[in-house]
Amino acid sequence: GDSVTQMEGPVTLSEEAFLTINCTYTATGYPSLFWYVQYPGEGLQLLLKATKADDKGSNKGFEATYRKETTSFHLEKGSVQVSDSAVYFCALSGKQAGTALIFGKGTTLSVSS
Amino acid sequence: DADVTQTPRNRITKTGKRIMLECSQTKGHDRMYWYRQDPGLGLRLIYYSFDVKDINKGEISDGYSVSRQAQAKFSLSLESAIPNQTALYFCATSDITGNYGYTFGSGTRLTVV
Repeated sequence: GDSVTQMEGPVTLSEEAFLTINCTYTATGYPSLFWYVQYPGEGLQLLLKATKADDKGSNKGFEATYRKETTSFHLEKGSVQVSDSAVYFCALSGKQAGTALIFGKGTTLSVSS
Repeated sequence: DADVTQTPRNRITKTGKRIMLECSQTKGHDRMYWYRQDPGLGLRLIYYSFDVKDINKGEISDGYSVSRQAQAKFSLSLESAIPNQTALYFCATSDITGNYGYTFGSGTRLTVV
């Protein structure tokens, strides 16, 4: 079945460092791909999305490009801030009817000043 | 008011008790979902509903039941709670495509002692 694999954390960075969180997927056809963020004590918020190959999703300085050839959707940010400390989830939504969002296990990011 | 409201926010219950977690949404969406979050395991799908008359089991439905009382309301029940059901539970809703992402509630932290 469909699945998402993302790098394990925690990821610990200094402020203004470059961030990459790897995400790869297995799916039938061409799913839609998402990154969600969960700040401490809160629910999940949609960070960005891409619905077809080569699409680039972007929001709040974060970017991810839908790569069909490598089945990947890596999250990047050029300069992280302390306020970016959170748990990040990669997720996919299959194109098949009757499917729900499938999540990776999450990656905890901790940014220090 | 939040788009997705979950009650209660926190609950401690005893083994063997029946408990209901409630969720309501104001997005006007037909689709609703219940997920469970455990450290290191990400979010796992318990049940989902694509409309009032449609209920589907997710990855980990054993020990849980749901009721879709109306388009806006979707409740999750634990008929006889056990300690390994201690987790953070999230309700979510989406439009029919799911391509715009899901809107999540703030979660219910359930502890079974």
